[in-house]
Amino acid sequence: DAKTTQPNSMESNEEEPVHLPCNHSTISGTDYIHWYRQLPSQGPEYVIHGLTSNVNNRMASLAIAEDRKSSTLILHRATLRDAAVYYCILRLTYGGSQGNLIFGKGTKLSVKP
Amino acid sequence: NAGVTQTPKFQVLKTGQSMTLQCAQDMNHNSMYWYRQDPGMGLRLIYYSASEGTTDKGEVPNGYNVSRLNKREFSLRLESAAPSQTSVYFCASIIMTGTSGLNEQFFGPGTRLTVL
Repeated sequence: DAKTTQPNSMESNEEEPVHLPCNHSTISGTDYIHWYRQLPSQGPEYVIHGLTSNVNNRMASLAIAEDRKSSTLILHRATLRDAAVYYCILRLTYGGSQGNLIFGKGTKLSVKP
Repeated sequence: NAGVTQTPKFQVLKTGQSMTLQCAQDMNHNSMYWYRQDPGMGLRLIYYSASEGTTDKGEVPNGYNVSRLNKREFSLRLESAAPSQTSVYFCASIIMTGTSGLNEQFFGPGTRLTVL
């Protein structure tokens, strides 16, 4: 499976936008880019995913570079509840995938009031 | 829907004791997973079950056994607990389809296990 690289930690101020980067230079054409987050003492939860085009949902936006070698998760207005570890994960669409997620260490986001 | 539920939430064992961690999902998902998370690390796959009646090893299966009891339930057993198995254990489920890269994986709240 292709690997991802993320900064260990980032800080943000409450109500400001946050841009969480992810590098995935060995991504293949069939890999979807998924983001999950893990709030303190909870299991991971899905945030967003995309393939080539930028994506928006109620939680966040995902900006994907044209060459797909990097992506950025955007939280438009960080709240204290967004303090979590954010994981960038590549998922195969089908064929040989056993469905599990391969987690790195992620980026620990701290939000200051 | 309750989603993915796990019992117990916390457990302390002595070295050599055995126990079973229970997991159930009510979303009619076909695939279920057990992960462990050590402090400061991401999750690692222990075992998974692609469908009812099948189980396969993941990245770190040694010291564990699993049972896919039915479509809803997937249990993880430690036959002889060791301190190295002190960790937080997460169960997860997903619908695996031909376009499974699009599907969201749902996680339970975790079981915090300490082996003394």
